[in-house]
Amino acid sequence: GAVVSQHPSRVICKSGTSVKIECRSLDFQATTMFWYRQFPKKSLMLMATSNEGSKATYEQGVEKDKFLINHASLTLSTLTVTSAHPEDSSFYICSAREPRTGGRVGYTFGSGTRLTVV
Amino acid sequence: GIQVEQSPPDLILQEGANSTLRCNFSDSVNNLQWFHQNPWGQLINLFYIPSGTKQNGRLSATTVATERYSLLYISSSQTTDSGVYFCAVSTGTASKLTFGTGTRLQVTL
Repeated sequence: GAVVSQHPSRVICKSGTSVKIECRSLDFQATTMFWYRQFPKKSLMLMATSNEGSKATYEQGVEKDKFLINHASLTLSTLTVTSAHPEDSSFYICSAREPRTGGRVGYTFGSGTRLTVV
Repeated sequence: GIQVEQSPPDLILQEGANSTLRCNFSDSVNNLQWFHQNPWGQLINLFYIPSGTKQNGRLSATTVATERYSLLYISSSQTTDSGVYFCAVSTGTASKLTFGTGTRLQVTL
């Protein structure tokens, strides 16, 4: 089946530094990827939709200058948290859209990245 | 945007018990999926079910699209069923998924 690899799984960084999270589709081409944020014991909140070769579409309230998304190839999307602060600490999850037969759209999720900013 | 509410928010079961989880959504959808998030955060796709009924082992799901709800049935629960169950929907031409509020399930011995 489709596999999405997300790295790193866990990262601790100092306030003011930037952190890059990678999301790779290993066995399929993903023209569209999604980035979610999840706070403890809460649901997944969509941050942005990443389209290969074009600018990402951010959800309302998400700072595009804080959360930089790059989707430079059909198998890789990156999320960079710039000038991280403790309130950016969270669980970040990526997802890749995989078109399937019969018009059905499949979504495969990465294993998530737990970011802690100290 | 579409609202997706799940109930109950928390559920504690003894091993072997059955349960029903509910997902209500506020608008017509063209995609509805159920996921299980394990304690390590990994999301596992359980069902793609925008309408109708499906079964997979001890799990089954039913979506009544006209009444805007979906049900996930877990029979003979096991401790490995513990985790958070989410339904997620998409509408119209948008392919992005909106996740429900989740049901946190704990299965005890």
